[in-house]
Amino acid sequence: NAGVTQTPKFRVLKTGQSMTLLCAQDMNHEYMYWYRQDPGMGLRLIHYSVGEGTTAKGEVPDGYNVSRLKKQNFLLGLESAAPSQTSVYFCASSGQGGGYTFGSGTRLTVV
Amino acid sequence: AQSVTQPDIHITVSEGASLELRCNYSYGATPYLFWYVQSPGQGLQLLLKYFSGDTLVQGIKGFEAEFKRSQSSFNLRKPSVHWSDAAEYFCAVGAVDSNYQLIWGAGTKLIIKP
Repeated sequence: NAGVTQTPKFRVLKTGQSMTLLCAQDMNHEYMYWYRQDPGMGLRLIHYSVGEGTTAKGEVPDGYNVSRLKKQNFLLGLESAAPSQTSVYFCASSGQGGGYTFGSGTRLTVV
Repeated sequence: AQSVTQPDIHITVSEGASLELRCNYSYGATPYLFWYVQSPGQGLQLLLKYFSGDTLVQGIKGFEAEFKRSQSSFNLRKPSVHWSDAAEYFCAVGAVDSNYQLIWGAGTKLIIKP
């Protein structure tokens, strides 16, 4: 089925460890986004991309890096994980129509 | 400043009753408006969207929303809710000239009473 696939679905990290979250979409969408969702805080945009090879900062970019080497993939990296990065991470993509398609999320716990 | 307000954090409705979830926005450009639903442990799913034209928009699962420019509102409605509608609902606004970046409301959690 067409859509947005996020891997992994769950992960536990120790403080200071690094990891990469992968987002893949097969809808040929130009725009891709990484959000974090925390209780009572709604969705907050971390980074986004408007096309292959481009990235830009969102509302809460500190502590995260991203890359979009291929149009279908958008990677989110945590270089040195902190407990404050415990969250549920969602990737989304959109085309010219503007409606987002979301992945099912990655639940990350940093201990 | 651009913003989306969902005034109700929680709403409790009896099964079979009608539903209205409120959404107000503040946005400088001509807005595109969206409603998404998130079931527990799931990602967000698009319910409906408004770009232009008829201000009453039909969506999936029997939902509809009405765009009222004079009130800067885009309220979501359903005539008769089902227990499976229990979820969190998010309103969002965006525009072409913002690269379709969406401004999100904080969400309204819908609780269904049997």
